[in-house]
Amino acid sequence: AQRVTQPEKLLSVFKGAPVELKCNYSYSGSPELFWYVQYSRQRLQLLLRHISRESIKGFTADLNKGETSFHLKKPFAQEEDSAMYYCAPQGGGYNKLIFGAGTRLAVHP
Amino acid sequence: NAGVTQTPKFRVLKTGQSMTLLCAQDMNHEYMYWYRQDPGMGLRLIHYSVGEGTTAKGEVPDGYNVSRLKKQNFLLGLESAAPSQTSVYFCASRRPDQIEQYFGPGTRLTVT
Repeated sequence: AQRVTQPEKLLSVFKGAPVELKCNYSYSGSPELFWYVQYSRQRLQLLLRHISRESIKGFTADLNKGETSFHLKKPFAQEEDSAMYYCAPQGGGYNKLIFGAGTRLAVHP
Repeated sequence: NAGVTQTPKFRVLKTGQSMTLLCAQDMNHEYMYWYRQDPGMGLRLIHYSVGEGTTAKGEVPDGYNVSRLKKQNFLLGLESAAPSQTSVYFCASRRPDQIEQYFGPGTRLTVT
């Protein structure tokens, strides 16, 4: 079965601390992997995708196929990073997204 | 260019009532999706459509119906609302040749 696990419901850190939001997936085939973010009172939006190997707003994510993980990292968290983060593999018929339960990141001053 | 819009933003229904949620996109996207978002469960796919006149079931389709009569609109219907359908509903769309899905702002539905 296709499954995404984000083990932390809430991650609370102080400004300037490193953050790592964990994501493990169980998925047949070779899915594309994404992180979506939802800031307070805003719509869900794409943060980054593994295939582009980019850094967005200081965040990076490394795909580890052996461990089937796609953890999101940032070396120095900022208050404006506070949001809900969803890990989402995409694949299968018509490229449907499967979302994890989400991790709420709270960055305190 | 409004992107993806959803109507209404909020709604309260009594058990057994019916309603239709409207999703509209002005980006000429072929694919459209309806999700529900519940605490601790992330977003789950209800139904999706890969083109005008076509719909398909997602992960949690029971209790919902959809229609895609026009390419730009994707309607989600609840024929007889139940408290278990209290949720935030999101619509999304994308082009077949692109990966990114574009989301609407959501509709908060409460069924009492």
